[in-house]
Amino acid sequence: EPEVTQTPSHQVTQMGQEVILRCVPISNHLYFYWYRQILGQKVEFLVSFYNNEISEKSEIFDDQFSVERPDGSNFTLKIRSTKLEDSAMYFCASSEAWEAKQYFGPGTRLTVT
Amino acid sequence: DAKTTQPNSMESNEEEPVHLPCNHSTISGTDYIHWYRQLPSQGPEYVIHGLTSNVNNRMASLAIAEDRKSSTLILHRATLRDAAVYYCITQGAQKLVFGQGTRLTINP
Repeated sequence: EPEVTQTPSHQVTQMGQEVILRCVPISNHLYFYWYRQILGQKVEFLVSFYNNEISEKSEIFDDQFSVERPDGSNFTLKIRSTKLEDSAMYFCASSEAWEAKQYFGPGTRLTVT
Repeated sequence: DAKTTQPNSMESNEEEPVHLPCNHSTISGTDYIHWYRQLPSQGPEYVIHGLTSNVNNRMASLAIAEDRKSSTLILHRATLRDAAVYYCITQGAQKLVFGQGTRLTINP
C-alpha cells in the first residue's frame, strides 16, 4: 500500500520562529491537504491544494500559514511566526481526486515553547 | 462544522460484529459518506466510502439507508487492533470535516 511520509516526526520551536513541515504525498496523487489536531481535540482542516494553487482554506489558515509544492514530490506547510496555540499534530494527506479517499501521513508533532 | 451525529463511545467484544451508526439527516444528493478511523497516536486512516449503494471492502461494510439520512459501518469480526476513534464524514467539497467520532473499545 502506498503511503504519505512526513518529516520531521517532532519539531520543537520557540514562539515567533518560522517552521516548515514537510510531506511527500503519494506520487500519482493530484490533491494535497493539511490538517491539524490539537491534543485531545478533533482533526481540523487547514488547506487543500491542487494544480499548484490553494483550492480551499479554513479560518485557521491565516496569513501566518503558507503552502508550497517546491518540486514534483514535496509539499510543505510553513508557519511564519509560530504561536503557542500552533502546538498540535499536523497531518498531510493526498488523494487522486477530490472525492476519493485521502491518504494521511503519520503526522508531525509541533511543540511551540 | 461536522454535519453528522455519532455516539461518543461504543464497546464490543473481540471476534464479534460491530455496528457503528451515523446520522446525517442534512446530507445533500451529491455528498459522499466517508468513514475514517484514527488509531492511538496515528493519523486518520480511510476505512470505506459510498454514495447510495451499500459497499464492501476488506476492512468493513457500509450500509446506507435508502433515504441516505443515516449509515452504519459494520466491522464483521472485530479484533483488538480495531480499537480506534471512528469518524463518519459527509463530503461535499475537497475537505474532510471531522467531528468527535465514536471511540470504539474492543474487549478481549
